[in-house]
Amino acid sequence: QVQLVQSGAEVKKPGASVQISCKASGYTFTTYYIHWVRQAPGQGLEWMGVIDPDGTVSTYSQNFHGRVTLTTDTSTSTAYMELSSLKSDDTALYFCARAIPAAVPFDVWGQGTFVTVSS
Amino acid sequence: EIVLTQSPGTLSLSPGEGATLSCRASQNVPNNHLAWFQQRPGQAPRLLIYGASSRAIGIPHRYSGSGSGTDFTLTVNRVEPEDFAVFYCHQYGYSPPTFGPGTRVEMK
Repeated sequence: QVQLVQSGAEVKKPGASVQISCKASGYTFTTYYIHWVRQAPGQGLEWMGVIDPDGTVSTYSQNFHGRVTLTTDTSTSTAYMELSSLKSDDTALYFCARAIPAAVPFDVWGQGTFVTVSS
Repeated sequence: EIVLTQSPGTLSLSPGEGATLSCRASQNVPNNHLAWFQQRPGQAPRLLIYGASSRAIGIPHRYSGSGSGTDFTLTVNRVEPEDFAVFYCHQYGYSPPTFGPGTRVEMK
């Protein structure tokens, strides 16, 4: 079946970086863009950025001030999100989701990866 | 960016009652690219409606979306126990894509 499977929970210290993977299966990876969305505990959804499946075009939320880097590996149908210079308020659940631009928004989501930032 | 406002913040209902959720955009949503998601505790969001009124695959017919421009509505006809959750509207017509703050539908 169509699914996005994310890597496991992470615990990081302030100032460190974290990389989360999102492996796609059950569909043609190159058909859909991959977005990243995060959710702080008890809060709403915050869009972080999007990357085309070939990894050539990416757009980021200005809210992260250049701290987000998105990449893909088409050989393994996997997308990656790296967040650098971590702060305590980056503690959140991070989701990947697939979409077709201007057509199908976020119809399949990963299960989420919880990142804890604590000294 | 387009700011989305949802109302009410919380909706208390009994099973079998109808639910009407509102989403207002700070400016016109291009091509009515407005979606609704349901999020149950501990789960990822689930796409319910896209293009303002198209039901996603597998979504029950009791869910319907309407509206255009800046005002959109999600209607749930006869709420069932599994419908109690948080609902988010989302616009994807203009970059950056944005989400509303959510409406919590709770059991009365």
